Amino acid sequence: QVQLQESGPGLVKPSQTLSLTCTVSGGSISSGGYYWSWIRQHPGKGLEWIGYIYYTGSTYYNPSLTSRLTISVDTSKNQFSLKLSSVTAADTAVYYCARGPYGSGFGPWGQGTLVTVSS
Amino acid sequence: QSALTQPASVSGSPGQSITISCTGTSSDVGVFNYVSWYQLHPDKAPRLMIYDVSNRPSGVSNRFSGSKSGNTASLTISGLQAEDEADYYCSSYTSSSTLYVFGTGTKVTVL
Repeated sequence: QVQLQESGPGLVKPSQTLSLTCTVSGGSISSGGYYWSWIRQHPGKGLEWIGYIYYTGSTYYNPSLTSRLTISVDTSKNQFSLKLSSVTAADTAVYYCARGPYGSGFGPWGQGTLVTVSS
Repeated sequence: QSALTQPASVSGSPGQSITISCTGTSSDVGVFNYVSWYQLHPDKAPRLMIYDVSNRPSGVSNRFSGSKSGNTASLTISGLQAEDEADYYCSSYTSSSTLYVFGTGTKVTVL
């Protein structure tokens, strides 16, 4: 079955760019007509949908992050990526990648990776 | 776009049924049948439990069921088991530019 795995630095300095990659296995990112999303959870808080990408490169971003966010896809590597610029401590969170949305659902998800913004 | 409102905690004894509510507005839960529910265990990948209000993905126990009335969606867990102890989040599509909003989360404790 499809599995997702996030990778990237666990520590980023303020004002720098947070970069994460999600590797999809068990299925092709460019088949099946699925969107691919990033979702984050601030420490002790709820979930926040960040944005999605289609294998064609079409994207939609949460308006609260649009000015700092880029989501891209590399179909040859079966990966999609997130770049969030000018980070602050408020961007400290567990970042998840997930397939979807399809209808209302996101799934499966990666296990998540904690990114801490600190000098 | 505000988060959907869930109770902070719900508890029950093994074998009992519990229901978690998820209250939104006429811009999200009340107008779209695009409500989903997620189970979060520490150190495990979040899991989709219900999508489109009441549909279960393959592999999810039929002890989990979803419903909606007005601006409030609900997740019911019947025959509560120890393994059900986790955090649960609802989500809804919304007419706002945010597109998808999540709930505040509910911690389920099996007594």
